[in-house]
Amino acid sequence: NAGVTQTPKFRVLKTGQSMTLLCAQDMNHEYMYWYRQDPGMGLRLIHYSVGEGTTAKGEVPDGYNVSRLKKQNFLLGLESAAPSQTSVYFCASSWGTQETQYFGPGTRLLVL
Amino acid sequence: GQQLNQSPQSMFIQEGEDVSMNCTSSSIFNTWLWYKQDPGEGPVLLIALYKAGELTSNGRLTAQFGITRKDSFLNISASIPSDVGIYFCAGQPNTGNQFYFGTGTSLTVIP
Repeated sequence: NAGVTQTPKFRVLKTGQSMTLLCAQDMNHEYMYWYRQDPGMGLRLIHYSVGEGTTAKGEVPDGYNVSRLKKQNFLLGLESAAPSQTSVYFCASSWGTQETQYFGPGTRLLVL
Repeated sequence: GQQLNQSPQSMFIQEGEDVSMNCTSSSIFNTWLWYKQDPGEGPVLLIALYKAGELTSNGRLTAQFGITRKDSFLNISASIPSDVGIYFCAGQPNTGNQFYFGTGTSLTVIP
C-alpha cells in the first residue's frame, strides 16, 4: 500500500495563476482532508470530504475549491493564487470522523 | 475556530533525558491525538486517546487524556536522537467532524 500520496511535491506559481493539487489514498477511507501548515500555526483544515461526491468547508476555506469525484482522490484547487497561499499543503484520510488521520508527504507551494 | 495551546514551543534536551509536553483547549474534546512530524514529511500518529483519564503507551511514549477533557499530555522517556522532530497534539470536540491542531513542540535531542 502506498497510503496517502500527493502530487506535485513542490510548485512555484505567479500571483493570479491557477493550479490543482492531487491527493490519492489506497486505503478505501471514506474521509479525506486538506490542511495547510504555516510556521508557528500548526495545521489548519481547509476543506474535507465525508465520502465520494461530498465536500465541506473547514476552518480556512476561502480561496480554495475541492472536488471528490472518486473515493480515492481528493483535489484541491486554487483558482487565482495569492502570496498568502504560500504554504505547505497536507492531505489526510481516515475511516471515520473520530478515527486516526493518515497524512501524505505534503506539497510545498510558493506563490510569487 | 478552536484554540489549542501547546507547550513548550521548543525543547533542547540531552540524550537520555525524559520529555514532557502538554496541550490545553478552551472547550471539551472527545478525542486527543498525538503526532510526530519529521522534516519534509507529513505527521505520523503516535498515540490516540478516546476517554477522559485514559493513559496509553507506545514504547517509550506515554500520553494521557486529561480528566477535565480540556487537556492532554505526552511524555517521552529516555530520549534518543531519532526523537528529534515536531510533536503536534490534535483534538476533536463534541460537535463536528473537525480535528484542531496545536502549534507544535519542536524537540531537539543533543547526543
